[in-house]
Amino acid sequence: GENVEQHPSTLSVQEGDSAVIKCTYSDSASNYFPWYKQELGKRPQLIIDIRSNVGEKKDQRIAVTLNKTAKHFSLHITETQPEDSAVYFCAASRDFGNEKLTFGTGTRLTIIP
Amino acid sequence: EAQVTQNPRYLITVTGKKLTVTCSQNMNHEYMSWYRQDPGLGLRQIYYSMNVEVTDKGDVPEGYKVSRKEKRNFPLILESPSPNQTSLYFCASSLTGGAPEKLFFGSGTQLSVL
Repeated sequence: GENVEQHPSTLSVQEGDSAVIKCTYSDSASNYFPWYKQELGKRPQLIIDIRSNVGEKKDQRIAVTLNKTAKHFSLHITETQPEDSAVYFCAASRDFGNEKLTFGTGTRLTIIP
Repeated sequence: EAQVTQNPRYLITVTGKKLTVTCSQNMNHEYMSWYRQDPGLGLRQIYYSMNVEVTDKGDVPEGYKVSRKEKRNFPLILESPSPNQTSLYFCASSLTGGAPEKLFFGSGTQLSVL
């Protein structure tokens, strides 16, 4: 089955700086890569996703890049703000959907004011 | 309001006492899934359902059962809970399982098995 590794497990950045979280996956057939954000005590929520036929996707301060050859994808958050503090999960699946979504172990991001 | 409702939010039980965690969605979603969240292990899929009467194992199905008799409900059953099933459980749903749809999560159930 799919295995998704996520690094780092914790990350602290100064407010206004950029944050990068990296994930690698094992199954070369994986083609859907969402990112979920979980604030303290809350449920996970989708923040951005990318399909394997796209190399990069942006949504305001958030971007995701995908390198299919190396089997890794990354989340980039620019101009970080206190509300970006949360746990971020990457995930991967085949068949462009949620059927068997495999999550990474999570990154706790702390924004230092 | 579109939502996924899980009950209970908190549950403390003893080893071997059967329990059910309910999950209901009001968005007419075909796909539903259960995850458990443990520190350092992220979210791991227990079971999922692509539609009514269609269920399949995820990555960690041992010790759990599910059923999908109606589209809106997807209960998680622990026939004989053990302490290693102490965890935070999330139910989730999406319009379909075969397309890049947003997963809607329930508010979670914190289960402690003593």
